[in-house]
Amino acid sequence: AQSVTQPDIHITVSEGASLELRCNYSYGATPYLFWYVQSPGQGLQLLLKYFSGDTLVQGIKGFEAEFKRSQSSFNLRKPSVHWSDAAEYFCAVGRPINTNAGKSTFGDGTTLTVKP
Amino acid sequence: ETGVTQSPTHLIKTRGQQVTLRCSSQSGHNTVSWYQQALGQGPQFIFQYYREEENGRGNFPPRFSGLQFPNYSSELNVNALELDDSALYLCASSRSTGELFFGEGSRLTVL
Repeated sequence: AQSVTQPDIHITVSEGASLELRCNYSYGATPYLFWYVQSPGQGLQLLLKYFSGDTLVQGIKGFEAEFKRSQSSFNLRKPSVHWSDAAEYFCAVGRPINTNAGKSTFGDGTTLTVKP
Repeated sequence: ETGVTQSPTHLIKTRGQQVTLRCSSQSGHNTVSWYQQALGQGPQFIFQYYREEENGRGNFPPRFSGLQFPNYSSELNVNALELDDSALYLCASSRSTGELFFGEGSRLTVL
């Protein structure tokens, strides 16, 4: 069965500091990996995705993530955090094949607080 | 390109009642899935519809059911509501590439 673990429930960083959010997954095949962001009271927005190829992927809002198969990890990073990045971040794993497109397994999220 | 829209945004029901939540998919997306997000947790997969057929289901009882219509809009129905059904219900549409496009959700409170 597929699963996602986000070890950090809550992270606080100062504005302008770097950020790394951890994600570990368990999946029986080559995974499709995603990071989503959720602002309070809103739905989730896709930040970036990894399907294959270059293991360092770039996303929106200056985020990037690195896929490490040997560590079953897909950590999210940003070099310099802005106050508007404060939100909840979810890592997800799936293997969309034809009609299986919508099925993803999510971690429980990491809440990011940004200090001025 | 229109986004995913859900209605209603908030609703309150009592235990034992039934509820219908609606979702209009993003243009060009043929797959819709529903997720339940309890407070402090990540979204949990309920089920998915492709070409009006349910083609995947998570660990949810049969009182959770759905429909997808020819225009790819969708409904989630929950019968015999329980207190633990209180959650944010998220609809997401997708193409075969798998990234999900979420609506802003319907917040259900069961009293």
